[in-house]
Amino acid sequence: QKEVEQNSGPLSVPEGAIASLNCTYSDRVSQSFFWYRQYSGKSPELIMSIYSNGDKEDGRFTAQLNKASQYVSLLIRDSQPSDSATYLCATGGGADGLTFGKGTHLIIQP
Amino acid sequence: ETGVTQTPRHLVMGMTNKKSLKCEQHLGHNAMYWYKQSAKKPLELMFVYNFKEQTENNSVPSRFSPECPNSSHLFLHLHTLQPEDSALYLCASSQDQGLQETQYFGPGTRLLVL
Repeated sequence: QKEVEQNSGPLSVPEGAIASLNCTYSDRVSQSFFWYRQYSGKSPELIMSIYSNGDKEDGRFTAQLNKASQYVSLLIRDSQPSDSATYLCATGGGADGLTFGKGTHLIIQP
Repeated sequence: ETGVTQTPRHLVMGMTNKKSLKCEQHLGHNAMYWYKQSAKKPLELMFVYNFKEQTENNSVPSRFSPECPNSSHLFLHLHTLQPEDSALYLCASSQDQGLQETQYFGPGTRLLVL
């Protein structure tokens, strides 16, 4: 059974600092990885997707993938209070749908 | 309407009631999904449809019955639910079932079973 593990937090980061969110997964053949952001009472929205080993940058967000270690991370630079949310790591896709972790609750302290 | 819409947004039902959740996507996608999000548990995939055909039933109890009349609409029919079925039910869609396809989520229906 596929599993995705995340530290549930809360992770508290000062405004302007770098927030680092981590995720490990069990399925060695996983090819696609997604980070979703979910505000309280709202639905998940995609932040980043990554498919190849290495880093992928989009604005203040950087996703990092290491398939050998079965590890994927999300870095948020210059953290803002509006970044406070739960961040969901997911893998899979296709006909099997996505397998999600429980999410990490991130708090950006002004 | 844009994106993925879901109705109703909130639903309270007794264990003997029958109700239906509706999802509509306005993105021209071919694949649609139902997920369940319970407190302190990960999002759980329930059903997957591709071009109106069900391609995945993730061991969901028969008191949940999906229906996909066309690629734009997805229903989840509910009957004789249990209190532990109280959760946020999320619908999602993607262009197709490719592994790199992004799934877009609707706002969800928050269900309370009394």
